[in-house]
Amino acid sequence: EPEVTQTPSHQVTQMGQEVILRCVPISNHLYFYWYRQILGQKVEFLVSFYNNEISEKSEIFDDQFSVERPDGSNFTLKIRSTKLEDSAMYFCASSTTAARGEQYFGPGTRLTVT
Amino acid sequence: GQNIDQPTEMTATEGAIVQINCTYQTSGFNGLFWYQQHAGEAPTFLSYNVLDGLEEKGRFSSFLSRSKGYSYLLLKELQMKDSASYLCAVREWKSGNTPLVFGKGTRLSVIA
Repeated sequence: EPEVTQTPSHQVTQMGQEVILRCVPISNHLYFYWYRQILGQKVEFLVSFYNNEISEKSEIFDDQFSVERPDGSNFTLKIRSTKLEDSAMYFCASSTTAARGEQYFGPGTRLTVT
Repeated sequence: GQNIDQPTEMTATEGAIVQINCTYQTSGFNGLFWYQQHAGEAPTFLSYNVLDGLEEKGRFSSFLSRSKGYSYLLLKELQMKDSASYLCAVREWKSGNTPLVFGKGTRLSVIA
């Protein structure tokens, strides 16, 4: 069964450093998302992406964040200068349609900022 | 904006039935989703309701009443492996690539 994959599974970085989180969505999916979940809290939307453009972004997704689809398979989230409060689990998700399709989540990258 | 409420914790006995409720308020509704999340893992899709009524899928069923802003997830024949958080998520009706808005989740403990 096809699945969303994410690398790395765990990333430790120092405050102020740049990190890139990588995702490979399910191959026939067209809509991509990043969510994050701070430990013990709810899953929060960051950004959605379709047709090589950001469709929607939340207040969390400020100028420190960017997304890219550098080739036909990868979907990346970059955090330019990490802060302690960026420590969280970051989930990539994809779906076949925007309006009706369920979103399938990858296993997540646990980001720890020290 | 959206507001989603679900109980924080529930406990149920192996073999029993448990119902997890979710109420929501949204300016435009385009579907309600239930996900299961084991500790330290990703949310896994369980069910989707967009019309009123009951959707059944094996041991899991989900109900929706749009007029009441209410849904429930029903788990039958509970197993120990069902111990997890159950996340209610709502999608608004608007154009574009609309994200899911999640509730805080209900942590279910299944005991022997």
